[in-house]
This record gives sequence, structure tokens and C-alpha cells, in this order.
Amino acid sequence: DAGITQSPRHKVTETGTPVTLRCHQTENHRYMYWYRQDPGHGLRLIHYSYGVKDTDKGEVSDGYSVSRSKTEDFLLTLESATSSQTSVYFCAILTSGGASTGELFFGEGSRLTVL
Amino acid sequence: KQEVTQIPAALSVPEGENLVLNCSFTDSAIYNLQWFRQDPGKGLTSLLLIQSSQREQTSGRLNASLDKSSGRSTLYIAASQPGDSATYLCAVPLGGGGNKLTFGTGTQLKVEL
Repeated sequence: DAGITQSPRHKVTETGTPVTLRCHQTENHRYMYWYRQDPGHGLRLIHYSYGVKDTDKGEVSDGYSVSRSKTEDFLLTLESATSSQTSVYFCAILTSGGASTGELFFGEGSRLTVL
Repeated sequence: KQEVTQIPAALSVPEGENLVLNCSFTDSAIYNLQWFRQDPGKGLTSLLLIQSSQREQTSGRLNASLDKSSGRSTLYIAASQPGDSATYLCAVPLGGGGNKLTFGTGTQLKVEL
């Protein structure tokens, strides 16, 4: 257990509404990531963070924004949710070593349904 | 662009059998490769991390090998058990720093009694 908590775990929302998913870690790791998992596409990186206020885009960042004001929290925001954003969202943290040698650990996921 | 392929997509074996899962990647300039397990409706559990300087890593009944030059990794599971039934994913860095991983779509393993 790498001390990762995602909230909410399940959410149903309507198209056009804003949604924020939260990832909380208890171990002060520098790198945090948001992935989405969809059938036929596997896991794809949305955004990642390499420190407080330091974030960068991943493969599928359109329609998503992130913020990291504290080391322990990494927020993923859908400004105006669309049905194509229905997915399971996973947060991950990089533990031990450095960016090139560390091991990635994942949270339990947040299942989002956009109607 | 780094692409990861896992074959087969699904595999069913009887309990007790030894098996091999395959992972191939297109860009051999990686510094590590990680194998994960995912149970239905759950997150990913890290199984093994192999650094580019290593050829193998072992954990219990699991053994992962890495051949960078050929762009291949294998996950060997000895004496399979029904509890090993899950989807197994491999992942390598996408490039550009930050240890951003790109994943294969996985091999769904079912171990039958």
C-alpha cells in the first residue's frame, strides 16, 4: 500500500458539468500522475506533476486540467464533462529512486460516468 | 513514438501449469520496464520493476526478463494457481523524462481448476 487515496470512487454526472477528482498521498512523493483506462485503449496518461505547482501534459490532456498546490494532493478537473470522458481514472505516484529508476504505484481508481 | 504490444490478449491454462506472458516495445532506449497485475474493478498492483541494466527480476513464483536490444520482455509464472487469474500489463517509459509510462493493453489470464 503506497498510501494513495482517490475520491470520489464513483461519480455520475451530466454533460456540461464540472467535475474534480482528488488524489491524496501520505508519503510526500514528488511525482504524481493521472491516467484514464478505457476498453480497447488501455491506460493513457492525462497529466502528471513533478512538484508543487509543476505539471505537464500527457497523451490525452485535452478537456482536462490539473492542479497541485500541496505535495500530497493532485487534482484532476474536467471543466465541462462530455460523454467521451466516461472512464475509470487512476492516480499514480512514483516511489523510491529517481524519475528514471522509481516504481509506479496506483490508486484504486475513480469510475466516472457522464450522461 | 513508443508502442507496447502484449500477446496473447487472453490465455486460459489449467492449474499448475507454468506459463509465459509476452511484452514487446518499439523503442529500445528505455531505462526500465514494469509489470503490473490488475484484478477486475481494481487498481494496478506492481509486480516487478526491471532496470535497463538488469536482465531479470524475480519475486516468488514470478520471473521477468528484459532484452532491450530485441525490444522484448517476458513474465514467467511458475506453478500457476486460480488466484493468479487477472490481467497482466507491462509498461515502459514514454520518453521525455518524468517516468511517464505507456502501457500495453494487457493479457487476461484465467487459471482453471
